[in-house]
Amino acid sequence: NAGVTQTPKFRVLKTGQSMTLLCAQDMNHEYMYWYRQDPGMGLRLIHYSVGEGTTAKGEVPDGYNVSRLKKQNFLLGLESAAPSQTSVYFCASSYSRSGTYNEQFFGPGTRLTVL
Amino acid sequence: AQSVTQLDSQVPVFEEAPVELRCNYSSSVSVYLFWYVQYPNQGLQLLLKYLSGSTLVKGINGFEAEFNKSQTSFHLRKPSVHISDTAEYFCAVSPRGSTLGRLYFGRGTQLTVWP
Repeated sequence: NAGVTQTPKFRVLKTGQSMTLLCAQDMNHEYMYWYRQDPGMGLRLIHYSVGEGTTAKGEVPDGYNVSRLKKQNFLLGLESAAPSQTSVYFCASSYSRSGTYNEQFFGPGTRLTVL
Repeated sequence: AQSVTQLDSQVPVFEEAPVELRCNYSSSVSVYLFWYVQYPNQGLQLLLKYLSGSTLVKGINGFEAEFNKSQTSFHLRKPSVHISDTAEYFCAVSPRGSTLGRLYFGRGTQLTVWP
C-alpha cells in the first residue's frame, strides 16, 4: 500500500499561471481533503470531498477549485496563481464509518512557490 | 465553532530534559483530541489521540498527553527528550458525532532540542 501520494513534490509558478495538484489514495477511502500549511498558521482546510463526484468548501477555498472524478483521486487546481498561494499543500483521506472517529491519513505534501 | 490555541510557538530545551507543549481548545460540542508531529520537510504523523476512556493517553516515541475537560486542555509531555524529537507539533480537535472527522489545527509549536 502506498497510502496517500501527492504529485508533484515541488513546483515554482509565475503569477497568473495555472496548475493542478494530484492526490491519490489506495485505501478505498470515501473522504478526501486538501489543506494548506503556512508558517505560524497551522493547517487550514481548503476543500473536501465526501465521495466521488462531490466536493465542498472548507475554511479557505478562494482561488482554488477541486474535482473528484474517481474515488481514489482528488485534484486541486489553481486557475491563476497568486503569491499568496505560496504554501505547502497537504492531502488527506479517511473512511466514513458512522459511530466512530475516522482517522485522516496525510500525504507527504507539495511545496508550491508563486513568484 | 472550534478553535485551538497552542500557547507556545517555540519551545527550546536541552537533551534529556522534560518538556510540556501546551494546548487549549474551545468548542460548542464534544471533541476528539489529537497531537500530530511534523519532522523537517516531511508530512504529518499522528502522535496520539484521545477518543474516550482514560484521560491520560500514551503515544509513540514516549510522548503522552492528558485531557482535562474542565480546563479544556490537552497538554503534551515527555519526561526526557532526544535531539531526534526536534520537530513541529500540532494540536488538533475534531467534533464528535460527525463521520467527516474534520480537523481544526492549532498554529503549531516548534520544539528544538539542544545537545
